[in-house]
Amino acid sequence: DTAVSQTPKYLVTQMGNDKSIKCEQNLGHDTMYWYKQDSKKFLKIMFSYNNKELIINETVPNRFSPKSPDKAHLNLHINSLELGDSAVYFCASSQASRGYGYTFGSGTRLTVV
Amino acid sequence: GNSVTQMEGPVTLSEEAFLTINCTYTATGYPSLFWYVQYPGEGLQLLLKATKADDKGSNKGFEATYRKETTSFHLEKGSVQVSDSAVYFCALSPSPQGAQKLVFGQGTRLTINP
Repeated sequence: DTAVSQTPKYLVTQMGNDKSIKCEQNLGHDTMYWYKQDSKKFLKIMFSYNNKELIINETVPNRFSPKSPDKAHLNLHINSLELGDSAVYFCASSQASRGYGYTFGSGTRLTVV
Repeated sequence: GNSVTQMEGPVTLSEEAFLTINCTYTATGYPSLFWYVQYPGEGLQLLLKATKADDKGSNKGFEATYRKETTSFHLEKGSVQVSDSAVYFCALSPSPQGAQKLVFGQGTRLTINP
């Protein structure tokens, strides 16, 4: 069983389109995250939800909107895609009370053409 | 603020060589420290961690010791294998618990030649 699963794994789309990436975790964790990894492998947090509540919202364009229908799911919707949005997006989860670090999904490679 | 600095890569070694990847951090309070590894085409996997000063994290032959006096958490392995080729990330969490964001270093690409 995959602990943190993201779909799709690859996403190629044109500028201006709207797309969503889905993430699900079956670890019973209470906190989920979205990270963006750029072409130089640098990782930067975008959002975090704890028990469906937004707790971290870094400086991210309004075109990015996370949604957490329950604590096992965290989706990322992106409007009006731009070339600069091309990156690998990682979902992760953790149990806030344990401090054991994150469990990451395998990533979604988004390419905007 | 909190930050992590890793040695510049890429690092290329021969099989069975000794590995050190340097990591230093800046943080207030008492952060937890982590090393993550990313194999090609995959997500990040937790390699090892340490939650307080002088703790040593270890896994798969890799070790790192939390040095508060030098604010460092260097990754070492005595004899590397081709299968260790990956990108390694040092990271800190500002507090041992709580839904705090992980702050990552820039990553160090390691290539091991047979």
